Amino acid sequence: NAGVTQTPKFQVLKTGQSMTLQCAQDMNHNSMYWYRQDPGMGLRLIYYSASEGTTDKGEVPNGYNVSRLNKREFSLRLESAAPSQTSVYFCASTRGVHEQFFGPGTRLTVL
Amino acid sequence: GDSVTQMEGPVTLSEEAFLTINCTYTATGYPSLFWYVQYPGEGLQLLLKATKADDKGSNKGFEATYRKETTSFHLEKGSVQVSDSAVYFCALSRGETGNQFYFGTGTSLTVIP
Repeated sequence: NAGVTQTPKFQVLKTGQSMTLQCAQDMNHNSMYWYRQDPGMGLRLIYYSASEGTTDKGEVPNGYNVSRLNKREFSLRLESAAPSQTSVYFCASTRGVHEQFFGPGTRLTVL
Repeated sequence: GDSVTQMEGPVTLSEEAFLTINCTYTATGYPSLFWYVQYPGEGLQLLLKATKADDKGSNKGFEATYRKETTSFHLEKGSVQVSDSAVYFCALSRGETGNQFYFGTGTSLTVIP
């Protein structure tokens, strides 16, 4: 039981490049989330998926797209990376109303 | 909208000191309240939770009581250890399936020997 896994762990991009952050959970959770964490700002929700086949915008969705590929996987795509997207990205999942389980994070730097 | 406000850090304490990190919330209805901990280089882990008013969550010597009258969920520990050094986040959820979680900005704690 690996919990929530994220790949890659580190990534450096140049402005304008694209990439996809992968997230998978093996806990049979319905809901999945993408957050970004910036110094002094805590966690901000980018997108979430309440169940397979649905996605909704969170607080800071601009510049991102998501895909809920199946119940296990929820990916986050940056189509044209900008320096403002330098951050640590966390994926999380939850079953119903219970606690969120977090992945180890992806540290992204955009030059 | 829903939100969480927690005490700004950083907080530096000596080992065995008493810890309080304040957290207040704004929410409609009866949210569930959480404290998460983040150790350096890791994701967040649930520390404790409370799902209704007057509930006390506890874990690893940490405690927090859900106070609806003051809309607070302050984190306390009687005697901190060096290993407690981490960032602590207060959070709430409305308890609906697929609902959003709202996090505070985090409080960094450093415990010195």
